[in-house]
Amino acid sequence: DAGVTQSPTHLIKTRGQQVTLRCSPKSGHDTVSWYQQALGQGPQFIFQYYEEEERQRGNFPDRFSGHQFPNYSSELNVNALLLGDSALYLCASSLEVGLNTEAFFGQGTRLTVV
Amino acid sequence: LAKTTQPISMDSYEGQEVNITCSHNNIATNDYITWYQQFPSQGPRFIIQGYKTKVTNEVASLFIPADRKSSTLSLPRVSLSDTAVYYCLSNKESPGGSYIPTFGRGTSLIVHP
Repeated sequence: DAGVTQSPTHLIKTRGQQVTLRCSPKSGHDTVSWYQQALGQGPQFIFQYYEEEERQRGNFPDRFSGHQFPNYSSELNVNALLLGDSALYLCASSLEVGLNTEAFFGQGTRLTVV
Repeated sequence: LAKTTQPISMDSYEGQEVNITCSHNNIATNDYITWYQQFPSQGPRFIIQGYKTKVTNEVASLFIPADRKSSTLSLPRVSLSDTAVYYCLSNKESPGGSYIPTFGRGTSLIVHP
């Protein structure tokens, strides 16, 4: 049973560029959440997708957008990259939408903006 | 804004019990408290979740007092492989008024031989 998989594992982008990160949830899970984790910090919630709609959103600008596909996989898009967007981006899946469900995390995508 | 605070680091030795406390003021009435473990270059891994009093599973115990303003993760008889960062998670009200999952800054536990 595959867990949560994310691609790519590492990425280097230039300021002002756009990036798309991808996530496949754990088998049987229908809810996907995205987090940003800066070095030495805890993960910060970006948003959560369920039934192809954004259900919850954290305190992130509109440059951060997402999408969920019918097979429950998800994408995170970040436009107009800033140096401060450099971080580990984590995808987590869960069995149902909500705030108190156990989340399974992928290994993350390390994004470096130069 | 409500905050989640936990010690930045802790040291222990193999075989000892480790207790890590997290303060989460203004926790919502129906909110659970969840703890995660994270190793370098990996995503967080669920350890335990509780609402009140005491919860125990095969790896840890979680103590939550009646006022629910804090929680304590207890790791019995730690080993070197328990060296990791431990996060408490609860749902906090965002500036927009909705509740969102909020991790603490994490406690770096180092277990010594």
